[in-house]
Amino acid sequence: DAGITQSPRYKITETGRQVTLMCHQTWSHSYMFWYRQDLGHGLRLIYYSAAADITDKGEVPDGYVVSRSKTENFPLTLESATRSQTSVYFCASRKQGMKYEQYFGPGTRLTVT
Amino acid sequence: AQSVTQLGSHVSVSEGALVLLRCNYSSSVPPYLFWYVQYPNQGLQLLLKYTSAATLVKGINGFEAEFKKSETSFHLTKPSAHMSDAAEYFCAVSPRAGGTSYGKLTFGQGTILTVHP
Repeated sequence: DAGITQSPRYKITETGRQVTLMCHQTWSHSYMFWYRQDLGHGLRLIYYSAAADITDKGEVPDGYVVSRSKTENFPLTLESATRSQTSVYFCASRKQGMKYEQYFGPGTRLTVT
Repeated sequence: AQSVTQLGSHVSVSEGALVLLRCNYSSSVPPYLFWYVQYPNQGLQLLLKYTSAATLVKGINGFEAEFKKSETSFHLTKPSAHMSDAAEYFCAVSPRAGGTSYGKLTFGQGTILTVHP
């Protein structure tokens, strides 16, 4: 059971380039989430999805785009990367039902130069 | 709107000593509450969760937490710290009802636990 995976694990890119971070889960969980983790800010929600083709903004969505054509995949795209988007990005998934916990992927460390 | 406050960004204890990590929440209705642990260069792992009437919750690795409605708190404890407990710990809340929150987690800022020999 692979669980939830993210790729790449590490990425260095230049300012202005488009970057896509991948997230894949094998549990068929309805909900998926993208967070960024920055020193002093904890985890902040970027986007979330309640099901395939249903996405919504979180706390810090500017500069990011998501899609969810299949239940198991939830890619996050930085359309034109900026240095302020240097961060560690975590994907998470959850079963339908408020009481269930989120399961987190291993993270992608992104550096924008 | 919900919020979570973790008191103390850094906590240092000796091996074998009591671990106490504090978490207070702000919510009009008692939410679901979670504690996650993050080891270096890893994702977050669930330690324990409060979702029912049992106010004392036991989790993995000997940790437990007690939900106190009157104090709006969900402090994490472990009777005897081990070197392997050194990590960052996050308290998080999720609403019980639906609406626009979709069960989103709101995280505290995290507490880094250091364990000295």
